[in-house]
Amino acid sequence: AQSVAQPEDQVNVAEGNPLTVKCTYSVSGNPYLFWYVQYPNRGLQFLLKYITGDNLVKGSYGFEAEFNKSQTSFHLKKPSALVSDSALYFCAVKNAGNMLTFGGGTRLMVKP
Amino acid sequence: NAGVTQTPKFQVLKTGQSMTLQCAQDMNHNSMYWYRQDPGMGLRLIYYSASEGTTDKGEVPNGYNVSRLNKREFSLRLESAAPSQTSVYFCASSANGVSPLHFGNGTRLTVT
Repeated sequence: AQSVAQPEDQVNVAEGNPLTVKCTYSVSGNPYLFWYVQYPNRGLQFLLKYITGDNLVKGSYGFEAEFNKSQTSFHLKKPSALVSDSALYFCAVKNAGNMLTFGGGTRLMVKP
Repeated sequence: NAGVTQTPKFQVLKTGQSMTLQCAQDMNHNSMYWYRQDPGMGLRLIYYSASEGTTDKGEVPNGYNVSRLNKREFSLRLESAAPSQTSVYFCASSANGVSPLHFGNGTRLTVT
């Protein structure tokens, strides 16, 4: 069975500082990895995905993620955090099948 | 372009009552999904439809039924609601297996 772990319930960072939201996964076969963001009372919005190719993936709003096969990780990063980045972030994984499995989510708090 | 539209936005049911959550997408996507979101548990897949005319169970299908009415619409039915089904329900769609999911804004259901 596939699974995703987001080990931090909450990440606090000061505005302008770099941020990292951690994600590790377990899946058989080649992984397809995704990051989504959720703002209050809204559905999830797609940020970026890794299917194949370069290990560093760039996405929306200045976010990027690094795929590390040996560590089975796909951490979300941003060089300089904004207050408006405060939200709930979800990592997700799937293989060639149709079921996408989500992690439990990490709340990012960016303080001015 | 509305994307994924869910109705209703809020619903309160008494134990044993039934209801249907409606979902429609206007992006001509093949695949549609129903998730539930509970605090600290991320999103869990209830049912999905890989293409028009097919439906499959996800991680937590018990107590639910679905209908893929046509390519646009995918409904979720609770035949006899239970307090354990209190949750926020999200419908999503995707073009194919590796495409990002597009989410609706959710239905907040309370069962008393």
